[in-house]
Amino acid sequence: GAGVSQSPSNKVTEKGKDVELRCDPISGHTALYWYRQSLGQGLEFLIYFQGNSAPDKSGLPSDRFSAERTGGSVSTLTIQRTQQEDSAVYLCASSFINPGDEQYFGPGTRLTVT
Amino acid sequence: AQKITQTQPGMFVQEKEAVTLDCTYDTSDQSYGLFWYKQPSSGEMIFLIYQGSYDEQNATEGRYSLNFQKARKSANLVISASQLGDSAMYFCAMREASNSNSGYALNFGKGTSLLVTP
Repeated sequence: GAGVSQSPSNKVTEKGKDVELRCDPISGHTALYWYRQSLGQGLEFLIYFQGNSAPDKSGLPSDRFSAERTGGSVSTLTIQRTQQEDSAVYLCASSFINPGDEQYFGPGTRLTVT
Repeated sequence: AQKITQTQPGMFVQEKEAVTLDCTYDTSDQSYGLFWYKQPSSGEMIFLIYQGSYDEQNATEGRYSLNFQKARKSANLVISASQLGDSAMYFCAMREASNSNSGYALNFGKGTSLLVTP
């Protein structure tokens, strides 16, 4: 079956522009996670959705970041007024909700802010 | 505080040999899980193996096994009969007890880069 897909795969943007990153999880996975992978910070958790709900946004790096999920499926991560420190690979993962269920990762979006 | 520690930034192993990648963790939860993921140069994260804190047997998946030593809080990955295609970054990760805010979000270590040589 289809895995987790993300688009775009690569995005180069100028500082100050807004970007939208998309994640299409595996059908039936109710849990969705966004992570960021950067050289300095490693892999860090950003936000979790159970269904359409994201109970806690405190993991988002700044208030320029927002995320939503609609229909219990597709999620978008939006970064407003991008800064150079936002350059990273943004990874999306989805899973069922049992403790031992592995998270399936998408290929990531590589964001470069110039 | 770092919850997952991988002390080996890089490792070399010869093809067909076994290799152990180290991982130690820190948690006060009784219920937790440990995962290993592989990330080849192409970038995708590939799930390898899972160990639950209450599992009595060490997890095994094909050539991968997890040497789980609960008292020492270590969860080392053992790859037997290394292949050239095993060259990649390997990440140890932990999920703690379910949290309504973060679900089963994973805490990752910094990773170990493994290079398998002919």
